[in-house]
Amino acid sequence: DAGVTQSPTHLIKTRGQQVTLRCSPISGHKSVSWYQQVLGQGPQFIFQYYEKEERGRGNFPDRFSARQFPNYSSELNVNALLLGDSALYLCASSLLLAEWTQYFGPGTRLLVL
Amino acid sequence: DAKTTQPPSMDCAEGRAANLPCNHSTISGNEYVYWYRQIHSQGPQYIIHGLKNNETNEMASLIITEDRKSSTLILPHATLRDTAVYYCIVRVRGSGNTGKLIFGQGTTLQVKP
Repeated sequence: DAGVTQSPTHLIKTRGQQVTLRCSPISGHKSVSWYQQVLGQGPQFIFQYYEKEERGRGNFPDRFSARQFPNYSSELNVNALLLGDSALYLCASSLLLAEWTQYFGPGTRLLVL
Repeated sequence: DAKTTQPPSMDCAEGRAANLPCNHSTISGNEYVYWYRQIHSQGPQYIIHGLKNNETNEMASLIITEDRKSSTLILPHATLRDTAVYYCIVRVRGSGNTGKLIFGQGTTLQVKP
């Protein structure tokens, strides 16, 4: 069975640009969460979506937004990119909302110049 | 959520048991202990979780002290592929909660030949 997939794997943007990252969860999983991991730190929670609704949001500015589609795939959008947005963006899927056995994708590495 | 404390780094010889400690002295009765690991440049991987009884699966064993203020993750026969950052996470599980994972700095385990 396919695991969590993310695209693209790498991305280079310049300050002020906008970026969209994509995630496909494991088949049957209805929850998708997004995390940001800056070099040398543990992942930081950004959003959780369950059944197409936002169910949790971390301490990130409004420049970060996300959505979940009817097929449970998800997109993370970041507007007005800053140098500090350079990070590994991880997507995780789980069967249920309050499920901590989450399955992570390989991540998208974003570099903002 | 209870705070966790882990040593920043540990070494282990290949083939020997790796014992990774975690302190969670403020844990409450309904909080579970979860362990994840992150191999370099990959997404985190779920290992094991427990409430108060010791747990074992194909990857590892989890030993939780009787007072639940600390736990130890045991990799019985460490291999070079177990070199990773190991995260101990404590969280309430159940309805009304999201699947938000709060990662600390973790322990970097270096398995040496």
